[in-house]
Amino acid sequence: GEDVEQSLFLSVREGDSSVINCTYTDSSSTYLYWYKQEPGAGLQLLTYIFSNMDMKQDQRLTVLLNKKDKHLSLRIADTQTGDSAIYFCAESRYGGNQFYFGTGTSLTVIP
Amino acid sequence: DGGITQSPKYLFRKEGQNVTLSCEQNLNHDAMYWYRQDPGQGLRLIYYSQIVNDFQKGDIAEGYSVSREKKESFPLTVTSAQKNPTAFYLCASASRSRGKDYEQYFGPGTRLTVT
Repeated sequence: GEDVEQSLFLSVREGDSSVINCTYTDSSSTYLYWYKQEPGAGLQLLTYIFSNMDMKQDQRLTVLLNKKDKHLSLRIADTQTGDSAIYFCAESRYGGNQFYFGTGTSLTVIP
Repeated sequence: DGGITQSPKYLFRKEGQNVTLSCEQNLNHDAMYWYRQDPGQGLRLIYYSQIVNDFQKGDIAEGYSVSREKKESFPLTVTSAQKNPTAFYLCASASRSRGKDYEQYFGPGTRLTVT
């Protein structure tokens, strides 16, 4: 995870937008992912973006990729209390068979 | 339902004992992975396997062993040589088939406590 960096904590008010940021270092990354982890559970794949795209939208989720700066972000619109969780960004390398994860960002949604 | 199962959810062991964590998938995925999760450190790769009877060490393989005798199963043994085994262990699988080899799915995890 040392090559994929995220801030550890983020707090937002219910109904606001959340933006979770991630930076990575390997320019050979093929796909970049966002996962959600609720307490005591495994990771749930939320969305992913191919490295030749710059944006992907999926309902309340928008992924932005700035390949030049190696920066990935996840925007959650109209954040709800059920969105409180740890969010991991990850990248795949070497043809997609190896995955590298960030440290995770703990999102707290304040009612 | 297709998915990945890990058992048990909680496991307690005395120091010096080996312990095996189970991981089974019925997704017909070729690749399987074991990660260790510690607070504030994200996920670290222990071992991975891309095909039956073959596996490679990840970043923190010392003190762990695996086998891949069947496509569906990838058990992880935490040996007494692992200096700090208490952690949350996550198993994952991914498909290598073209067009589908970039999604990795996770099991629910096993929390191992060694005292």
